[in-house]
Amino acid sequence: DARVTQTPRDKVTEMGQEVTMRCQPILGHNTVFWYRQTMMQGLELLAYFRNRAPLDDSGMPKDRFSAEMPDATLATLKIQPSEPRDSAVYFCASGFGQGQETQYFGPGTRLLVL
Amino acid sequence: AQKVTQAQTEISVVEKEDVTLDCVYETRDTTYYLFWYKQPPSGELVFLIRRNSFDEQNEISGRYSWNFQKSTSSFNFTITASQVVDSAVYFCALSDLGGATNKLIFGTGTLLAVQP
Repeated sequence: DARVTQTPRDKVTEMGQEVTMRCQPILGHNTVFWYRQTMMQGLELLAYFRNRAPLDDSGMPKDRFSAEMPDATLATLKIQPSEPRDSAVYFCASGFGQGQETQYFGPGTRLLVL
Repeated sequence: AQKVTQAQTEISVVEKEDVTLDCVYETRDTTYYLFWYKQPPSGELVFLIRRNSFDEQNEISGRYSWNFQKSTSSFNFTITASQVVDSAVYFCALSDLGGATNKLIFGTGTLLAVQP
């Protein structure tokens, strides 16, 4: 049963610290998405990769967030420096296709910035 | 602009009741996809169904069924004979064809509580 995996599942950190979240997409999938879920904003797209190339990161605060795919089996989302308003659940999703493919979500990383 | 509306914030039913979750969408595109996801208390998002705009046939999967009506821009989800395990937040989503992004536009979700 192929699944998207994310680490860590939970992260508590202090304001100003760097946070790195990792995602392993389903083997063979060529698209990776990062979403953030908060009570106020709901689910919002932060970044989108296809074949490891970033296609859209317009939803991401550029000054402190960065997303990369070092290889096809790993996607990372970094926040530096972290702020309390970054507290949220961060989901990674993967899919296969050129557009409108189904996105399969990981379990999420619950981030709390104190 | 694309938009998904789930007007029902919370629904509470007793086990074995049927329940319908409403989803209304707005889009200028003629080709689009609609999705339903389930988010149980454990937090993960579970894919339930994907439907393209050219296929208006209703779909049934076990106790789950979906009614897609382009004329009313609705994609409603019905659970028959609900069970406690169905308790979750359910999200309807629309794929955005604008630009190069395969962005899912989510509704605000409907919290379904099934009481024993």
